[in-house]
Amino acid sequence: EDQVTQSPEALRLQEGESSSLNCSYTVSGLRGLFWYRQDPGKGPEFLFTLYSAGEEKEKERLKATLTKKESFLHITAPKPEDSATYLCAVTIMKTSYDKVIFGPGTSLSVIP
Amino acid sequence: KAGVTQTPRYLIKTRGQQVTLSCSPISGHRSVSWYQQTPGQGLQFLFEYFSETQRNKGNFPGRFSGRQFSNSRSEMNVSTLELGDSALYLCASRPRVNGELFFGEGSRLTVL
Repeated sequence: EDQVTQSPEALRLQEGESSSLNCSYTVSGLRGLFWYRQDPGKGPEFLFTLYSAGEEKEKERLKATLTKKESFLHITAPKPEDSATYLCAVTIMKTSYDKVIFGPGTSLSVIP
Repeated sequence: KAGVTQTPRYLIKTRGQQVTLSCSPISGHRSVSWYQQTPGQGLQFLFEYFSETQRNKGNFPGRFSGRQFSNSRSEMNVSTLELGDSALYLCASRPRVNGELFFGEGSRLTVL
């Protein structure tokens, strides 16, 4: 069964304390992996797309990497404004359409 | 460029009633997807429309339905509301197959 998991479920960091979030997937026919950020009461906001193992993308304090079985979202020297839920999603190809599967998310709190 | 617009933002209904939610995608995006988000279940896929045709459907009962108009605007309808239908309903559009999703702010439905 196609599945996406994320760990940890929740993460509490001190401002400036770097860490990584994990997204693991068990799917067939991976076409792309996406990271989104979601603030409370709002819709998810797109961060990165990764298409092949070894690929990396960076944006400010965030860096996303992809292997054949998982992706990491590295947060360097986080600030309180980085507090949010981070969602990963994979797109897989079915016979006549592509299917998007979201992970459950990691809730990040950055304490000043 | 205007983002994805969802209306209404908040609504309260009672059990047994029905509700219609509306979504206007980003101009030029022909794909519109709907998701249900609850604290316990995360983001659950409802359905996706492309050029007025339903391309894909999640595992929700027939009480959940949707449609897309020729201008790409979409509506979803939930009939015979149940308490468990209380959730944030998110609409997303994307510019291409396997592209990133652009989400609206969501419609927060409370069923009493």
